[in-house]
Amino acid sequence: EPEVTQTPSHQVTQMGQEVILRCVPISNHLYFYWYRQILGQKVEFLVSFYNNEISEKSEIFDDQFSVERPDGSNFTLKIRSTKLEDSAMYFCASLSGWAGNEQFFGPGTRLTVL
Amino acid sequence: EDQVTQSPEALRLQEGESSSLNCSYTVSGLRGLFWYRQDPGKGPEFLFTLYSAGEEKEKERLKATLTKKESFLHITAPKPEDSATYLCAVQLYGQNFVFGPGTRLSVLP
Repeated sequence: EPEVTQTPSHQVTQMGQEVILRCVPISNHLYFYWYRQILGQKVEFLVSFYNNEISEKSEIFDDQFSVERPDGSNFTLKIRSTKLEDSAMYFCASLSGWAGNEQFFGPGTRLTVL
Repeated sequence: EDQVTQSPEALRLQEGESSSLNCSYTVSGLRGLFWYRQDPGKGPEFLFTLYSAGEEKEKERLKATLTKKESFLHITAPKPEDSATYLCAVQLYGQNFVFGPGTRLSVLP
């Protein structure tokens, strides 16, 4: 069964460093998303991406964040200068766009900023 | 402000003891309401989508219903393997999804 994959599973970084979180969405899906979940808190929408551009973003997704689909399979989230409060689980999701509105989530990347 | 709330925050049931989880929402526009299951340290797993008031969906021991302001997830005769956090999410017009805080369900053998 097709699934969304994410790498790495756990990333530890120093405050101020740049990190890139990687996702491989389900092949043939058209919509891609990034969410974050701070430990013990709710899942928060960051950004949606369609047709090689951002379609919507939340207030959380400020100038330190960027997304890219560098090739036909990967979807990345870059955090330019990490802060302590960026520590969270980051989930990627994809949605087909032609067969229902179900998002399929990846297993997540746990980001720890020291 | 678009808001999704869930109750109760946590629920402990004995195996076989049926119950319901609630999701209430106040949003500017609704394209759909989604239920997910999340196990510790994992990503949400899709369960149901509901689009209009009166709609119901069933899957094994779970049944989801939708009214104009809330949704219920009914769990019939739960088993320990149903223990998880159940998340409700609303898709606003566009591609923005707002999640509730979840209900943490524990089913004791």
